[in-house]
Amino acid sequence: AQSVTQLDSQVPVFEEAPVELRCNYSSSVSVYLFWYVQYPNQGLQLLLKYLSGSTLVKGINGFEAEFNKSQTSFHLRKPSVHISDTAEYFCAVRETTSGTYKYIFGTGTRLKVLA
Amino acid sequence: NAGVTQTPKFQVLKTGQSMTLQCAQDMNHEYMSWYRQDPGMGLRLIHYSVGAGITDQGEVPNGYNVSRSTTEDFPLRLLSAAPSQTSVYFCASRGPNTGELFFGEGSRLTVL
Repeated sequence: AQSVTQLDSQVPVFEEAPVELRCNYSSSVSVYLFWYVQYPNQGLQLLLKYLSGSTLVKGINGFEAEFNKSQTSFHLRKPSVHISDTAEYFCAVRETTSGTYKYIFGTGTRLKVLA
Repeated sequence: NAGVTQTPKFQVLKTGQSMTLQCAQDMNHEYMSWYRQDPGMGLRLIHYSVGAGITDQGEVPNGYNVSRSTTEDFPLRLLSAAPSQTSVYFCASRGPNTGELFFGEGSRLTVL
């Protein structure tokens, strides 16, 4: 079974600085990868996804992620963060088993942007 | 479009009580699922369904029942609530072409 590792539980960063949130998954077979954001007391919203094609994926709010098959990673980056980016970020992988799908989530990274 | 709608948003139960968390989607999605979110543990899959009449267990199914009689609705039942079921519950459905999950706003359950 797939697993998703987000090593950093919390990441503080100053406003306008760059940030990278790390995500590693367990299998090198064909996967679909996702990053979701959760603002306080809200549900999860999709930031970006990798299904196939270009390994550099651009999402909403200036975020991007790079799929690295050899390192089984899908790190999320933003060149300049804003206070409004303060939220929790979840990496997820879609696993296909016997023709059905399961989505496996990491434990989340809490991004805190400091003024 | 309402998307994925969960009710209630908040609920307090006593140990041993039963209740149903409702989830409805208006996007005609075949795939629906329930997750629980606990601090430091991310989202864990409870049950999922790939279509009406078909359900299956996720990684933490004990203490929960589901059914899927229609495409639109996927209720989650707690037959005898326990304090360990205190959590935030999310329902999500999946679009057929984009592969992404669409989430409801969550239901916060406290079991005393």
